[in-house]
Amino acid sequence: GIQVEQSPPDLILQEGANSTLRCNFSDSVNNLQWFHQNPWGQLINLFYIPSGTKQNGRLSATTVATERYSLLYISSSQTTDSGVYFCAVPSGTYKYIFGTGTRLKVLA
Amino acid sequence: DVKVTQSSRYLVKRTGEKVFLECVQDMDHENMFWYRQDPGLGLRLIYFSYDVKMKEKGDIPEGYSVSREKKERFSLILESASTNQTSMYLCASSYLSTTDTQYFGPGTRLTVL
Repeated sequence: GIQVEQSPPDLILQEGANSTLRCNFSDSVNNLQWFHQNPWGQLINLFYIPSGTKQNGRLSATTVATERYSLLYISSSQTTDSGVYFCAVPSGTYKYIFGTGTRLKVLA
Repeated sequence: DVKVTQSSRYLVKRTGEKVFLECVQDMDHENMFWYRQDPGLGLRLIYFSYDVKMKEKGDIPEGYSVSREKKERFSLILESASTNQTSMYLCASSYLSTTDTQYFGPGTRLTVL
């Protein structure tokens, strides 16, 4: 089945710094999602991005489907950005496969 | 906004007990999912349902069963809880297929003693 790898596994930033998270997948996909899991466990959708670039405030994402990767950019990071970031790609009609996540800690 | 709710945020049970985890969504979504999340392993799919009374095994169904009697409600059942089922359990829903976004509930942190 399709494999999803995320890097780096852990990231520590000072408040105000920028970062790039990467998601590689082993097969062609027709969409990709990015999620943020806050410290209380809630997963929030960030982007639904099959290809191209999307922006939402300080966050943006780019998926290059032909090269099988997606990037999540966080600019001017804040302590509230801390948590775990997951990417997920479809596997079949209903299922998603999740990466193991990037754990981000933003220090004040 | 889509809302997915789970019956408990924290739950402590004893080995051998029957455990019910409930999930309710309010957006008329066709699909519902149960995942468990463990450190270093990410999210793993236990079961999913694409219609009322329909269910499909995910990647780790052993030791679990599910029930979907109404469209908005999807229950996860641990017939006889064991300590290796201590985990975070996450419910999600989506409208149709994997062309649609998944929405997650707040999670239930289950401890089996």
